[in-house]
Amino acid sequence: AQRVTQPEKLLSVFKGAPVELKCNYSYSGSPELFWYVQYSRQRLQLLLRHISRESIKGFTADLNKGETSFHLKKPFAQEEDSAMYYCALKLGGYSTLTFGKGTMLLVSP
Amino acid sequence: DGGITQSPKYLFRKEGQNVTLSCEQNLNHDAMYWYRQDPGQGLRLIYYSQIVNDFQKGDIAEGYSVSREKKESFPLTVTSAQKNPTAFYLCASSSSGLAGGYEQFFGPGTRLTVL
Repeated sequence: AQRVTQPEKLLSVFKGAPVELKCNYSYSGSPELFWYVQYSRQRLQLLLRHISRESIKGFTADLNKGETSFHLKKPFAQEEDSAMYYCALKLGGYSTLTFGKGTMLLVSP
Repeated sequence: DGGITQSPKYLFRKEGQNVTLSCEQNLNHDAMYWYRQDPGQGLRLIYYSQIVNDFQKGDIAEGYSVSREKKESFPLTVTSAQKNPTAFYLCASSSSGLAGGYEQFFGPGTRLTVL
C-alpha cells in the first residue's frame, strides 16, 4: 500500500531563515502529490500541488521520483507561516488521498 | 455562502451511545469524505462516497457508518462499537476523484468527546 512519511513532527526556525519540510512517499507508479496547510483556528486547505509547478505564498515543492520525495521549501520563513503542514498522495484514476502525519512549523521572531 | 459545513462544532456523548455528525456542502461536488484527525496521527480516512447512494470504507471504518442519500449531505454515525471515538472529525468534498490535480475542500470539523 502507498505510504506518506513526514519525518519531523515539529520544525522550529527563526524569521528569515530557510525552511524545508520533508515528505517521502512509497509508491512505484506516478502519483499526484499535494501539500495541505492548517493555520490556527482555520480549516485545512490546499497549499500547492505538484502538477501546477507554482509557488504559493513563497513555497515551492518539486517532485523527485528518483528519491520519491516532495519536500516543501521556502527561502525566507515568515511568522505567518506557522501552521500544521500535511503532505498527501493521490494515485491515478478514482482514488482518495493518503496523508502523512503532519509537521508543525513554528516561525519565531 | 458556498462551502462545506459541519455540525455541531463540539459534541459530547456517553459511552454506549451512538451519535451522528452532520456534513453538508453546496459546492455541487460529487465526492465526499470523512477523516479522523488525532494528534501525531495525521488524517485517517474513515469512509468516502464518490456518488449518491454509494460509499466505500476507508482505512479505519470499524465502528462507523455513513449514508449518502443526497448529493449535498454525508452524515457520519459513530457507533458504540467504536472503541476510541474521542477525536476531531473532518468532512471534505471534491469535484471528482478522476480529475487530475483535484482539490479536497474541508469543513471546520467536529470535536467529539466521549464521557
